[in-house]
Amino acid sequence: SQTIHQWPATLVQPVGSPLSLECTVEGTSNPNLYWYRQAAGRGLQLLFYSVGIGQISSEVPQNLSASRPQDRQFILSSKKLLLSDSGFYLCAWSPDPRTEAFFGQGTRLTVV
Amino acid sequence: EDQVTQSPEALRLQEGESSSLNCSYTVSGLRGLFWYRQDPGKGPEFLFTLYSAGEEKEKERLKATLTKKESFLHITAPKPEDSATYLCAVPKAGNNRKLIWGLGTSLAVNP
Repeated sequence: SQTIHQWPATLVQPVGSPLSLECTVEGTSNPNLYWYRQAAGRGLQLLFYSVGIGQISSEVPQNLSASRPQDRQFILSSKKLLLSDSGFYLCAWSPDPRTEAFFGQGTRLTVV
Repeated sequence: EDQVTQSPEALRLQEGESSSLNCSYTVSGLRGLFWYRQDPGKGPEFLFTLYSAGEEKEKERLKATLTKKESFLHITAPKPEDSATYLCAVPKAGNNRKLIWGLGTSLAVNP
């Protein structure tokens, strides 16, 4: 069966520090991968998606970037965090863009 | 504009008291509607996918239905463990990979 791992679960980082969140999927190949941010009262916002190694599409211009160095690995990064980057970050995968996505457990990021 | 609206925002039920949650959408050429359950501090858990009007799917005490303009999540004889936020989402017209999400219904079931 397929599983998705996302870490860390919680993170407190100072303003201006770098960020690296990692997500890996097991039990499948060539998954579609997604990074979402969930803010209270605003719902889930798609940040990036990837259909293959090195292929990244950005949905929202921001202080973040994503990379997919391996087929089942998706990384969310920032060079310098802003206070507004605080939120709940979720990684997800789907076998096909037309089907349901499966989410990791999320990372609660607090920028102080 | 593509939009998903969920109602009510919050719902409190007594154990065993059945009810329904609503997800209405405005998107041309619907290519699926997804229901998820989310517990506090956790990622959303997939429940159902519905593709065409008239389709129904069931899982334990939950049944999801779909019409041309909305979907309902019926909860029959709920238990306290059904307490969660229920989210629905539809693919954006012209871009399958981008889902339009509702803000969710927060359900509390009291014992």
